[in-house]
Parts: sequence; structure tokens; C-alpha cells
Amino acid sequence: EDKVVQSPLSLVVHEGDTVTLNCSYEVTNFRSLLWYKQEKKAPTFLFMLTSSGIEKKSGRLSSILDKKELSSILNITATQTGDSAIYLCAVLDDKIIFGKGTRLHILP
Amino acid sequence: GAVVSQHPSRVICKSGTSVKIECRSLDFQATTMFWYRQFPKKSLMLMATSNEGSKATYEQGVEKDKFLINHASLTLSTLTVTSAHPEDSSFYICSASAIQPGLPRADTQYFGPGTRLTVL
Repeated sequence: EDKVVQSPLSLVVHEGDTVTLNCSYEVTNFRSLLWYKQEKKAPTFLFMLTSSGIEKKSGRLSSILDKKELSSILNITATQTGDSAIYLCAVLDDKIIFGKGTRLHILP
Repeated sequence: GAVVSQHPSRVICKSGTSVKIECRSLDFQATTMFWYRQFPKKSLMLMATSNEGSKATYEQGVEKDKFLINHASLTLSTLTVTSAHPEDSSFYICSASAIQPGLPRADTQYFGPGTRLTVL
């Protein structure tokens, strides 16, 4: 059965800390892995990862895919209260499989 | 737990026909369901929010007469694309959330696997 598992489920840190969110997957025909940030309703697209070992960066956020380990991490450095959100990982094969998300809360 | 299914997973239809997509919460009661459309650059556009037993709330720019949403029960919402055209070809994804003690958190959305619609 195809699945995407995110950890931790929930994380509370102080502003300025660095966090690492994990996503592991088991799918039949992997095409790409996507990271989203969800604050209110619609998730906002962050990254799409297709190739192993190539880091993608956007400001304080970065992500990398490890196809050997069937996993990806999302790093956020120097966290700010505005980073508080649910971070979703999804894997595309013939369909899209979302993880249950990591709820991140940044304390001021 | 918190499994959401969609049916069909893929549909190909001729221009002008209507297509119905079902979204079901399999092991929880979904008081709210959301319908999204995924664009080629993988961004998700929220189309509408539906609450069981009431009319859906459509986002700006989404034609309610073209994308009919029915949330008839606590486990089923349907999206009907009426008179589909090639520009409606897309990946449609639903998600569901619940407000029940001991079950999925109320503000967490659980996503279905999507339905790929191709209109010829």
C-alpha cells in the first residue's frame, strides 16, 4: 500500500531555532515529492523534488530528497512566528499521496 | 486512520460532457470538505469549501454553475464538472476535515489521492 509518513506530528520551538521536518514514503512509481505550507485553507507550494541529493533553497527554507532512503527533509533556519503552519509532504506517482502533515508552532 | 478516497482516479471524456468526481472520508465523518485543482507547477488552487447539508462556498473566479458541489452526507462530497472543455483538464484533489472528539483534528485537512481529468 502506497503511503507517506511525516514526522514529527507536531513541533513547538522558539523563534530563531532551526527545525527539520521529515517525510518518508513507500510508493510504486515515484515521480516527485512535493512540500507545501498550509496556514489557512489552501496549501502553498514550496518545493518539488525529483532528483536525489540536490538541495532546493528558498530563503530560510531548504529541502533535499534521498531516493535511497525513500525520504526527504525540510529545513527551516532562524524560524519566525510566521513560519507557524502545517507542513505537508506529498508524493506523486499516478496519483498524489499526502502525508498527515507536521504542525509547527513557533513561540515568540 | 483519516483516509480519504476519490473516485474515479482517472477519467477521459469528450468535450461537452459532464463528469462527476466523488470524495469520501472512509473512517471518519467529514463536516467540511475542500476541493482543489492542481496546476502544472504543482500549486493547489482552492475551488470551494463545502459543509455537510449546506451550499458550497466558492472561491473568487470559480464558476459555481460549472463546478457543481454536493456534500450530501458526512462521508461524501461530489464535484461535477459540467460541459467540460479541454481547459478543464487538470488534477482535482479533495480534502476533508472533522470536528469530533478523539478523531482527526478539526483544523487538519486529510487529502484524497486526486482525480486526473482529461477532456478531449
